[in-house]
Amino acid sequence: AQKVTQAQTEISVVEKEDVTLDCVYETRDTTYYLFWYKQPPSGELVFLIRRNSFDEQNEISGRYSWNFQKSTSSFNFTITASQVVDSAVYFCALEGSGTYKYIFGTGTRLKVLA
Amino acid sequence: DAEITQSPRHKITETGRQVTLACHQTWNHNNMFWYRQDLGHGLRLIHYSYGVQDTNKGEVSDGYSVSRSNTEDLPLTLESAASSQTSVYFCASSGTSGRTDTQYFGPGTRLTVL
Repeated sequence: AQKVTQAQTEISVVEKEDVTLDCVYETRDTTYYLFWYKQPPSGELVFLIRRNSFDEQNEISGRYSWNFQKSTSSFNFTITASQVVDSAVYFCALEGSGTYKYIFGTGTRLKVLA
Repeated sequence: DAEITQSPRHKITETGRQVTLACHQTWNHNNMFWYRQDLGHGLRLIHYSYGVQDTNKGEVSDGYSVSRSNTEDLPLTLESAASSQTSVYFCASSGTSGRTDTQYFGPGTRLTVL
C-alpha cells in the first residue's frame, strides 16, 4: 500500500526564519514520483515541484529547496528566510509509476508571523 | 491560456437532493480527477478518468458518480446528497506525456449539504 505522512500538522515561525516541512512516504514501486503543492488562504492548489525516484539530487528554487532521500523515504521541503506570503497549507503527494493517481499527505499548515 | 474551471464555486443544497458539480478543462488532457478536501484528511480521490468513456472509482467513491463523454468535461454527481458530503471539491487534470504528468487543479467548489 502507498502512504504519505506529514507529521507536522501546524508550524509557526517568525518572518525570516528558515523552516522545514517533512514528508515521509511508503511505496513498493521502484519508479514513483513525488510532488509538493501549496494551498494559500485563497484556496487554490499551486504546483511547486515534481521529483522522480531516480533523481536524488537536491533542488533549489529561490528561497525554496527540496531534499529527497530514498534511504529514509523522505522528501522534505525547506523555505529559507520565510515571508508572510509563505503562509499556506503545504501538501506532499506520491504517484505510483504509470497510475497518474496521487496519494496526498494530510498537509502542514505554515504560519509565518510578521 | 489553457485552464481548468469548476462551477458552481459555492453550493448549498438539502439532504437527499441530486447535485452535479461541473469541471471543464481546456488543456486537452486525457486524465481527469475529482478529490474532496476535509480537515485532517488532506485530499482524497473520489473518481478519475483516463479518457473518453473511461471512469474509475477512487478511495471514497460511495455516493458519487462521474461520466466522461468528451475530453474537456468530467461532471461529478452526488446521487442523493448527505451531510457527510459537505466538503470542498477539487477537479484536476493531467496529460499522459511519458511516465507521468503533473496534475493541475481547478479553483474548487465548496458544497454544503443541510
